[in-house]
Amino acid sequence: QVQLQESGPGLVKPSGTLSLICAVSGGSISKSNWWTWVRQPPGKGLEWIGEIYYSGSTNYNPSLRSRVTISVDKSKNQFSLKLNSVTAADTAVYYCARRGVIDDNWFDPWGQGTLVTVSS
Amino acid sequence: DIQMTQSPSSLSASVGDRVTITCQASQDITNYLNWYQQKPGKAPKLLIYDASNLETGVPSRFSGSGSGTDFTFTISSLQPEDIATYYCQQYGNPLPLTFGGGTKVEIK
Repeated sequence: QVQLQESGPGLVKPSGTLSLICAVSGGSISKSNWWTWVRQPPGKGLEWIGEIYYSGSTNYNPSLRSRVTISVDKSKNQFSLKLNSVTAADTAVYYCARRGVIDDNWFDPWGQGTLVTVSS
Repeated sequence: DIQMTQSPSSLSASVGDRVTITCQASQDITNYLNWYQQKPGKAPKLLIYDASNLETGVPSRFSGSGSGTDFTFTISSLQPEDIATYYCQQYGNPLPLTFGGGTKVEIK
């Protein structure tokens, strides 16, 4: 079955760019799915960041749209997240997840999550 | 945005108790609602999809109901392993996808 694994720096300086990769294994990223990023600040709830279809079509949370880019690399079976101009408020555990397109419109599976701290 | 108001934010119950969590959407989302369980340090896990469908492998003591704007999640007999935070999540139109604020369930 499909498994997801996040990777990337755990520490980013304020005003810098947060960059994460989600590697997809056990299935092709080119199937009919939305590949999604969700984050969770320490001790707080879940926030949907955005998602990408394998064709490159994207949806972003309006609250983050101006700073977010999600891209897909079909050759490496992975997708990535870039969040620029970060502040301490962007400190969170970042999860990648799969969301179905028609009949399975939920987040499953999820990656294990990776903590990104924004600090100088 | 469609706002999801989840209540209570926390609860304490005894083993064997019936536990109920509610989620109210700010507009009609038909049955476009999912429920997740998150244990400390772990990713969320899907329990209920489309408001009332139990995910494969999830114990039958978990259930969901509701449609439109009002939804309920129930644990019929609370077990020690159910200690977690539970989240509702809507996928109605328009985007963005949004989550409820979470309910932390503890054992009394």
